[in-house]
Amino acid sequence: NAGVTQTPKFQVLKTGQSMTLQCAQDMNHEYMSWYRQDPGMGLRLIHYSVGAGITDQGEVPNGYNVSRSTTEDFPLRLLSAAPSQTSVYFCASRIDRTSNQPQHFGDGTRLSIL
Amino acid sequence: AQSVAQPEDQVNVAEGNPLTVKCTYSVSGNPYLFWYVQYPNRGLQFLLKYITGDNLVKGSYGFEAEFNKSQTSFHLKKPSALVSDSALYFCAVRAVNNAGNMLTFGGGTRLMVKP
Repeated sequence: NAGVTQTPKFQVLKTGQSMTLQCAQDMNHEYMSWYRQDPGMGLRLIHYSVGAGITDQGEVPNGYNVSRSTTEDFPLRLLSAAPSQTSVYFCASRIDRTSNQPQHFGDGTRLSIL
Repeated sequence: AQSVAQPEDQVNVAEGNPLTVKCTYSVSGNPYLFWYVQYPNRGLQFLLKYITGDNLVKGSYGFEAEFNKSQTSFHLKKPSALVSDSALYFCAVRAVNNAGNMLTFGGGTRLMVKP
């Protein structure tokens, strides 16, 4: 199994550009989430989804959109990139929202906004 | 609101010595507690978890953690550190009955093991 796959691994954008970070999992997990990692701040939750067709906001949702049309895919969209969105983005999944099982993480997308 | 504190940005230890990485948490109700490790340019990898039962939890690579409810702590320990243990460590908490079932992470502690 591939687990959680994120693409691209690296991206440089100009302020105001848009882009989509891709995330796919092959474990049939219902719960998926997006985090951003900034130095000294740990991981902060951006958006999450408890199943296909259902999404909700996390701690820091502003400037980001998500959708969940299939169980496997959970893309994150930046509509108009800002320098404050320079970060490392991680996608994660677990079996379902109530499970005490750990989350599985992708290897991240390193995003720089100029 | 739930929160996690990792009071040390960095922990330095000599190879072969015991190590402790500290974590305290705040949550409404009973917690699920996790430790993850991150190596350079990689995602987080699960080390161990506390769900219920025995307060001493054993995990991967010889790590263990002790849940202390009265002190709301979940410190990560290893009896004998290896240079290969050098990495970034994250503690995380989720309330058992959290409506959003969201996981909250600490800020991370960098462990440096010197030969």
